[in-house]
Order: sequence, then C-alpha cells, then structure tokens
Amino acid sequence: AQKITQTQPGMFVQEKEAVTLDCTYDTSDQSYGLFWYKQPSSGEMIFLIYQGSYDEQNATEGRYSLNFQKARKSANLVISASQLGDSAMYFCAMRALYNFNKFYFGSGTKLNVKP
Amino acid sequence: DVKVTQSSRYLVKRTGEKVFLECVQDMDHENMFWYRQDPGLGLRLIYFSYDVKMKEKGDIPEGYSVSREKKERFSLILESASTNQTSMYLCASRRSAGIANEKLFFGSGTQLSVL
Repeated sequence: AQKITQTQPGMFVQEKEAVTLDCTYDTSDQSYGLFWYKQPSSGEMIFLIYQGSYDEQNATEGRYSLNFQKARKSANLVISASQLGDSAMYFCAMRALYNFNKFYFGSGTKLNVKP
Repeated sequence: DVKVTQSSRYLVKRTGEKVFLECVQDMDHENMFWYRQDPGLGLRLIYFSYDVKMKEKGDIPEGYSVSREKKERFSLILESASTNQTSMYLCASRRSAGIANEKLFFGSGTQLSVL
C-alpha cells in the first residue's frame, strides 16, 4: 500500500531564508509521480512542483525545488528565499503511474514565515 | 484561467439533514473528485468520477453518495448528516490525458459543520 509521511506538523522560517519540508513515501511500485501542493488560508490547493520516479534530475520551479532521493524514498520540498506569502499548509502527494486517479496525500506541514 | 468552483465556503447543518455539496469545473475535465480534509490526516478520497454518470468509491465512501449528471458538475451528498462528517470538503478535477505529471485542480473547499 502507498503511504506518504510528513513528519513536521509545523515549521517556522525567517523571511528570505531557505526552508526544507520533509516528505517520505512508501510504495512497491516502480513508476510513480510525486507532487507538492500549497494551501493558503483561502483553502484552495495550489500545485507547486512535480517529480517523476524516472526523472534523473531534481525538479525545479522558480523558488521551489524538489530534493528527490529515490533510494531513501524521500521527496523534500525546498523553498528558497522565503516570503511572507509562503505561509501556508504544504502537502506532499504521490500517484502511481498506472492509476491516474489515485492520489495519496500526506498530513501536511504548516509553514509560518516570520518577518 | 481554469476554475473549480464549490458552491459554499461555509455550511452549517443539523444532524440528520440531507446535505448537497456542489462543484463545477470549467476546464472540460473528464475526472472529478471529492476529498475530505481533516487535521493530521491530510486529504482522503471519498469518491471520484471518470465520466458522466460513472463513479468509483474512494477510501472513505461510507455515509456519502455522489451524482454526476453533467460533465462539468459533480455533487457530493450526505444522506443523513452526522457530527463526524464535520470537515473541510475539497473538490478537484483532472484531465484524462495519460500524462504522468497531470495534476489535480482544486476548488477552495467547503467547511461543513454538522451540529
């Protein structure tokens, strides 16, 4: 069975510093995709970044990068130069590539950016 | 801009009431989903639909039903609301294209309180 673990319920970071949000996953599948979403207080889940299990390079999208370590089954999100607007819940999710409709979500990490 | 719209942001209902949560997407997506979000548990899939009038149970379908009469609209129904259904409900949609990084698009959520 697939499982996503986010061990940091809450984190603080100083504005302009980098922060890493942890995500580990458990799967026996060889092909899968990993997603990170941001949920501000408004409630809408916003897609941030995607990493495929066969992608050789770590994904990057602007200030977001994904530190993908396949052997350790981890997919940590790195946010560089934190901004006040980065304060939100962050969810890691995984989807097996043979089942496009089944996403597994972690419990989330609440990030607070301090001025 | 693509949009998933949920009819209510906040809803208060009484135990035993029949509750309808509505979701509309304007992206012509084949797949639509209902998730429930609870603190510490992340998002859990209730039901999804891959076509009009087609549906599949997710991980926690008990106490819920769904309806999809038109492609753009997916309704979640609580036949007899109970206090343990107090939660945030998130609707999402996704294209059917067999692309690995095809993400979910989410609505802003409905915070349902059952008293």
